[in-house]
Parts: sequence; structure tokens; C-alpha cells
Amino acid sequence: GDSVTQMEGPVTLSEEAFLTINCTYTATGYPSLFWYVQYPGEGLQLLLKATKADDKGSNKGFEATYRKETTSFHLEKGSVQVSDSAVYFCALSGGAGGTSYGKLTFGQGTILTVHP
Amino acid sequence: EAQVTQNPRYLITVTGKKLTVTCSQNMNHEYMSWYRQDPGLGLRQIYYSMNVEVTDKGDVPEGYKVSRKEKRNFPLILESPSPNQTSLYFCASSWAGGYYEQYFGPGTRLTVT
Repeated sequence: GDSVTQMEGPVTLSEEAFLTINCTYTATGYPSLFWYVQYPGEGLQLLLKATKADDKGSNKGFEATYRKETTSFHLEKGSVQVSDSAVYFCALSGGAGGTSYGKLTFGQGTILTVHP
Repeated sequence: EAQVTQNPRYLITVTGKKLTVTCSQNMNHEYMSWYRQDPGLGLRQIYYSMNVEVTDKGDVPEGYKVSRKEKRNFPLILESPSPNQTSLYFCASSWAGGYYEQYFGPGTRLTVT
């Protein structure tokens, strides 16, 4: 079945440092890929998404590119802020031709802490 | 304001005592889903619904029931809770599955003793 693997965390950075959180996936068909963010005590909210190969999703300075050849969707930000401290989830939704159309499959989450 | 609401936010109960967690959305979404979040496991889907009266199992449906009698509501029922159902539960909704964004509720933290 479909699966998502995120880099092991937690990740601790100083403010203005460069962030990369790795995400790779296994899926049949043509999945859509997402990054969701969960701030302390809150539900998940969509950070960015990409629906086809080579698409780049971006939002709030974060970016991720859908790489079909390496089955990856790594999250990057050039300069993190304390307010970026949260849990980040990579996820995929099965696409047409796959066995899990419409369902979100999540990675295990990566805790990011940014210090001043 | 577009939102997904869940109640209660926190619940402590005992083994075997039936409980219901409510979920409601005001965006006229067709697709609704329940997830549980456990440390190191991310979120796993329990049940989902493509529309009124249409529900199906997710990855971890054992011990749970759902119903979808109205488009806006999707309650999660634990008829005989057990300690292994202690978890953080999220309801989500979207226009459909696939590439549509899912909107999440604030979560319900359930403890079963």
C-alpha cells in the first residue's frame, strides 16, 4: 500500500538557519503530495501542496518540489523563525489509477524547534 | 468562519463506557474523515465518508463506528472503549478526496483508563 517516510526528528535550529525536512513516498498511480503543519494545541493545517510531477508548492517561505524520479517531496525554507516551531507532516493522497484514491496517508511527523 | 468543530476537546473515561465524539463542518463539504494521532505513527485514518449515508473503513477501523446522516455531521462512536484507544483524534473535511485540501478540527484528546 501507499506509504510516506519522513526524516527522523526532532530538528532543532537557530533563527535564520536553513531548513530541510526530507520526505519520500511509495504510491501507485499519480498521487498528490502535501505538507501539513500542526502548531501546539491545534489541528493540522495545509502548508503547501503539489498535484503532479515537477510542480513546486510554496507558502510562507516554505517550498517543496514533487520529484517523481526520486519519489520525494522535501520541505525547505531559507531562513526559519521562532514562529515556525511546530510539527510538520508530509502526506499523500492516492491519485487516479491507485488503490487509495482520496485517502490521506501521513508520515510520522517531524518536530521542529527554532531558538532565538 | 469556515471551520470544523469537534466536541469534546478532552475526555477521560473508563473501559467499556460508550462514548461519542461529535464532528461538524460548515463548508458543505462532501468528504469527511476521522484520524487518530499517536506518537511516532503520524495520523492514521479510522473511517471516511464520501457523502451522506456513504461510509467506509480506513486503516484502523477496529473498535469504532461512524454514521453520516447529514452532510455537515460525522460522529465517531466508541461502543466499548479500551485503553489502546487512548489517543488524539482529528476530524477532517474536504470538497472531495484526491488533491483537495483537507480542513482539520482542533482535536479531541481521549484517555481510556
